[in-house]
Amino acid sequence: SQKIEQNSEALNIQEGKTATLTCNYTNYSPAYLQWYRQDPGRGPVFLLLIRENEKEKRKERLKVTFDTTLKQSLFHITASQPADSATYLCALAFGNEKLTFGTGTRLTIIP
Amino acid sequence: GAVVSQHPSRVICKSGTSVKIECRSLDFQATTMFWYRQFPKQSLMLMATSNEGSKATYEQGVEKDKFLINHASLTLSTLTVTSAHPEDSSFYICSAREDRKVAGYTFGSGTRLTVV
Repeated sequence: SQKIEQNSEALNIQEGKTATLTCNYTNYSPAYLQWYRQDPGRGPVFLLLIRENEKEKRKERLKVTFDTTLKQSLFHITASQPADSATYLCALAFGNEKLTFGTGTRLTIIP
Repeated sequence: GAVVSQHPSRVICKSGTSVKIECRSLDFQATTMFWYRQFPKQSLMLMATSNEGSKATYEQGVEKDKFLINHASLTLSTLTVTSAHPEDSSFYICSAREDRKVAGYTFGSGTRLTVV
């Protein structure tokens, strides 16, 4: 079965630096990959989507890369701020549109 | 933007009773909605796919008689936890996406269920 791992359970980054989160998967490459932000006691909020034929996607201070050879996606937050502190989830979608979520990385931006 | 409304946000019920959770897409139609369960410090686990006008599709290990799903319209899906037990206490979240659109999913704000 498909396994999705986000390499760090928790990550502490100094304010102003770039935070880089990793998502690795096994087996089949998805049609597209998504990143979500989740705050405590809340539902996830969609951030970015990248298709299997795209290498990179950007949105403001966010950047996502997708390497189907390595079976890996990287999620970057540049000029990080304390308000960026949250849990970040990667999710893979296959043909049936069901999302499978990774284990999540709890990011803390230290002022 | 797309909004999914989920109610109630919190519910406490006694063992043996049933609880209904509603999930509404407010400004778009969704033939398909998804129900997730999340335990503390864990990721989201898909429970079932709710299909408008037909039976829900349950993931392996999820009891369909215990977690009843009804998707009566293109904007409303409900999850009923029947004969609730303390081990059913969890955070339940629904999600939906506008039909025929490749985009991110919109999630409800979640329901914290506590069974006492």
